[in-house]
Amino acid sequence: EPEVTQTPSHQVTQMGQEVILRCVPISNHLYFYWYRQILGQKVEFLVSFYNNEISEKSEIFDDQFSVERPDGSNFTLKIRSTKLEDSAMYFCASSGRGPNYGYTFGSGTRLTVV
Amino acid sequence: GDSVTQMEGPVTLSEEAFLTINCTYTATGYPSLFWYVQYPGEGLQLLLKATKADDKGSNKGFEATYRKETTSFHLEKGSVQVSDSAVYFCALVPSGNTPLVFGKGTRLSVIA
Repeated sequence: EPEVTQTPSHQVTQMGQEVILRCVPISNHLYFYWYRQILGQKVEFLVSFYNNEISEKSEIFDDQFSVERPDGSNFTLKIRSTKLEDSAMYFCASSGRGPNYGYTFGSGTRLTVV
Repeated sequence: GDSVTQMEGPVTLSEEAFLTINCTYTATGYPSLFWYVQYPGEGLQLLLKATKADDKGSNKGFEATYRKETTSFHLEKGSVQVSDSAVYFCALVPSGNTPLVFGKGTRLSVIA
């Protein structure tokens, strides 16, 4: 069964550093998403991406965050200057026919900011 | 705004017990409803879905029925197993291409 692949599985970074989280969505999917889950809390929407541009973003997705689909297969989330409160599990997801048909999520990247 | 409310966990059951995890929603229009499951150390997996009123989603012995009159989508399983221990998330897509909105999740522990 096709999978969404995320790398790395765990990243530790110092406060103020830039991090890039990488995702390979399912190859024929058109809609891409990033969510995050702070430990023990709910899964929160960050951003959606369609047709090579951001289609929607939440209040969490401020100027410190950016997304790219640099080469037609990878989908990246960049945090420019990490803060302690960015520590969370970050999930990438993709959907082939729009959100009503359910997303396929990756296994997540656990980001720890120290 | 659109939201999902799930029963508080954790829920602890003995093997073969009946499971219900309550989920209610608030949404304008006609949302699609989902249950996702997160096994320990893993990502989110779609468990089942329903896209219109009175639809029943089912998978792996789990069921949920889209009840528009009560704005609910309760998850049920007749006989749980230890391997069902996980966190269960109720979620909705409000309409069109709007993003998935999750509930807080309910942790289920099944003991032998």
